[in-house]
Amino acid sequence: AQTVTQSQPEMSVQEAETVTLSCTYDTSENNYYLFWYKQPPSRQMILVIRQEAYKQQNATENRFSVNFQKAAKSFSLKISDSQLGDTAMYFCGLSGGGADGLTFGKGTHLIIQP
Amino acid sequence: DSGVTQTPKHLITATGQRVTLRCSPRSGDLSVYWYQQSLDQGLQFLIQYYNGEERAKGNILERFSAQQFPDLHSELNLSSLELGDSALYFCASSDLFQPPDTQYFGPGTRLTVL
Repeated sequence: AQTVTQSQPEMSVQEAETVTLSCTYDTSENNYYLFWYKQPPSRQMILVIRQEAYKQQNATENRFSVNFQKAAKSFSLKISDSQLGDTAMYFCGLSGGGADGLTFGKGTHLIIQP
Repeated sequence: DSGVTQTPKHLITATGQRVTLRCSPRSGDLSVYWYQQSLDQGLQFLIQYYNGEERAKGNILERFSAQQFPDLHSELNLSSLELGDSALYFCASSDLFQPPDTQYFGPGTRLTVL
């Protein structure tokens, strides 16, 4: 069975700061995919970034980047120059590569203070 | 806007009743996933359909069932409803091949069982 653990229930930073959200996972698959989704107060699930496990290069999307440590089974999300609109729940997700459903962590509530 | 639509947005019903939630995937996506988000269980994968066929099952109760129709829309049927079934139900869709396993979520249906 796959598991995803997010150990930070809540984080709060000042606007324009950089923040890192942690995620660890466990899977027996060799080929898998990792995701970060954002859920703002509207409750919509928005894809932030994805990483293929076979790629060594860390994924980057504008202000969002990941630190993927395959051996340690760690997949952290870094948000640079944080903005008020980044306030949301952030979920780390794992897909086994066989078109299965995503396994999610319990989420981190990120609050960006003005 | 992810391109995935779900109806209705809100549903209020009583214990013991049956409801149907509807999902239309993004244009061209053959795969549909259903998820349940509740306070105590978090985000859980329920079931996946691909081009009309059941592909994968998660933590779906026997009281729940789903299907995907020839036009690729999907319905999730919840019967003998209990108070604990109150949750946000998401549908997601993906194109398995480009890029694989990236799921785009609809806005969700909020179910309240009284």
